[in-house]
Amino acid sequence: NAGVMQNPRHLVRRRGQEARLRCSPMKGHSHVYWYRQLPEEGLKFMVYLQKENIIDESGMPKERFSAEFPKEGPSILRIQQVVRGDSAAYFCASSPVERGRSEAFFGQGTRLTVV
Amino acid sequence: EDKVVQSPLSLVVHEGDTVTLNCSYEVTNFRSLLWYKQEKKAPTFLFMLTSSGIEKKSGRLSSILDKKELFSILNITATQTGDSAVYLCAVRLPMNYGGATNKLIFGTGTLLAVQP
Repeated sequence: NAGVMQNPRHLVRRRGQEARLRCSPMKGHSHVYWYRQLPEEGLKFMVYLQKENIIDESGMPKERFSAEFPKEGPSILRIQQVVRGDSAAYFCASSPVERGRSEAFFGQGTRLTVV
Repeated sequence: EDKVVQSPLSLVVHEGDTVTLNCSYEVTNFRSLLWYKQEKKAPTFLFMLTSSGIEKKSGRLSSILDKKELFSILNITATQTGDSAVYLCAVRLPMNYGGATNKLIFGTGTLLAVQP
């Protein structure tokens, strides 16, 4: 059973370009979480998705950021018109059910660098 | 505002030493506290603690939660160089409907370096 797969592992974008980060959850997991880790800071929750639904996006910046988890395919975190402050490691986590006892498994992250 | 604070920020020890990492929290509607180990990749799950006073153990690692004083400790005995990592503490938050989720508030971590 492969773990949570994120790609790309490293992404370099120029200011103003778009960044697309992909996350394939573990097999059998239908809940996906995105976290951002800025330099010298802890992981910060961004968004929680189930298949085709955004459950909680309270940690997402109001502009330029969006996330989806379609019925088929990976979850996508999309950042439009990137700025230098978007440079960070973006982690995806997945869990099978939400009954309070299933911990989340994290992917290896995508390190975004905006130049 | 909900927050999780870890101490120390960093720690250097020699192989064989015992270390204690601290995590205190201030959150409303506490559900559970989790510890993760992060090397240069994905955070890997160590423990989840829900009840006070019950020690969880896994090999040389152990952890306990005090819900009255709002803190947890992670102990590592007989440290090895492979224990070098950032140790993250996180608190699980509930959804609006009251169910638990993996929406987590993380501390900034403790960087542990174990020297040979």
